[in-house]
Amino acid sequence: QQQVKQSPQSLIVQKGGISIINCAYENTAFDYFPWYQQFPGKGPALLIAIRPDVSEKKEGRFTISFNKSAKQFSLHIMDSQPGDSATYFCAASIKNTGNQFYFGTGTSLTVIP
Amino acid sequence: DAMVIQNPRYQVTQFGKPVTLSCSQTLNHNVMYWYQQKSSQAPKLLFHYYDKDFNNEADTPDNFQSRRPNTSFCFLDIRSPGLGDAAMYLCATSRTGGKSLHEQYFGPGTRLTVT
Repeated sequence: QQQVKQSPQSLIVQKGGISIINCAYENTAFDYFPWYQQFPGKGPALLIAIRPDVSEKKEGRFTISFNKSAKQFSLHIMDSQPGDSATYFCAASIKNTGNQFYFGTGTSLTVIP
Repeated sequence: DAMVIQNPRYQVTQFGKPVTLSCSQTLNHNVMYWYQQKSSQAPKLLFHYYDKDFNNEADTPDNFQSRRPNTSFCFLDIRSPGLGDAAMYLCATSRTGGKSLHEQYFGPGTRLTVT
């Protein structure tokens, strides 16, 4: 059973555009929602994360929007650049359970010049 | 400065020949994880150590074992690799307690090829 559902599977955006990736979850016990960026042949790197007590978090061009009632969260990449081309994974975890992460299935983002 | 180090980065082994992958960390994190990631898929948790306590995922094959001799090191042993075990193996660490967000930090991975 997929605990975290991610869409779309792939995304193509023009340089300068906005990339939006969505995730949904069912388990209301989740209390930590990170996004990871992974380049080919590399390990995932933490990009940005949010807790459910806030509705939005912004770091540079990256913003997480969180909708607790809908059990959804999304990553927005503003002014997308070719260097942002990578696979993005959302995840969710419960703080006091050994930090087990449940990953989404990933979104392959391609930013074309 | 490398924080989660995996060796080797690339490993080729023969079908059925035991192989060990290693992970070390300089973060002094108390939790260490091993994930398996196949092409175009999300990382799949195999097991994790919460301090010295070993936690195995229910669907992790018995073929996969792990050792954590101290806080800094963790090993993944594949006793009899099959062709289906070819994948990227990712080590990650995190720290529990306090007010941190408990981020997981991943190593660069070891690409395992089984011939």
